[in-house]
Amino acid sequence: NAGVTQTPKFQVLKTGQSMTLQCAQDMNHNSMYWYRQDPGMGLRLIYYSASEGTTDKGEVPNGYNVSRLNKREFSLRLESAAPSQTSVYFCASSEARGDSPLHFGNGTRLTVT
Amino acid sequence: GDSVTQMEGPVTLSEEAFLTINCTYTATGYPSLFWYVQYPGEGLQLLLKATKADDKGSNKGFEATYRKETTSFHLEKGSVQVSDSAVYFCALSRRSGGGADGLTFGKGTHLIIQP
Repeated sequence: NAGVTQTPKFQVLKTGQSMTLQCAQDMNHNSMYWYRQDPGMGLRLIYYSASEGTTDKGEVPNGYNVSRLNKREFSLRLESAAPSQTSVYFCASSEARGDSPLHFGNGTRLTVT
Repeated sequence: GDSVTQMEGPVTLSEEAFLTINCTYTATGYPSLFWYVQYPGEGLQLLLKATKADDKGSNKGFEATYRKETTSFHLEKGSVQVSDSAVYFCALSRRSGGGADGLTFGKGTHLIIQP
């Protein structure tokens, strides 16, 4: 019963490097999300995909791109990493209803030096 | 825009004490409200939810009532345990009714329970 799986768990990048964070869910959910968690800031929505084939910006999309590869997978790409992107990144999924709870992965801790 | 305000803590209590974590919100329409819990090194887990005014969500001894008149969703537990030590997040749905475009979260309340 995997739920939402994120890879990698930890990553260290140098400024300017690129990387892709992977996320997959096995709950047949239509909607998927990427959040970042920073101390004192709570969780902030980066991008979301309400259904397969659609993506939309959240509160803090600058510096990121996403791809909804299929119903199961939703990736987050940093094209040119900056120290301000040091954070813990969480992927989540839900059914496509406004009252549906989100199911979260265990996060990716990213450090940009 | 929509927002959630909650006490940030840390909140330190003794085991078996009564817990209240305050949460108030600003939103248009009729959002659903949620409490999530995060244990160290893990993702967030749904604790409880309420979808309309006067609904009470409950789980694992925790309760919260959706109060539209005071725009609040305070989390309570009658007798806390050391195992309740975690960070608690209040959240609201970004869109009422159909569709799903994520949740707006408060900044989290770090709860520490001492034996």
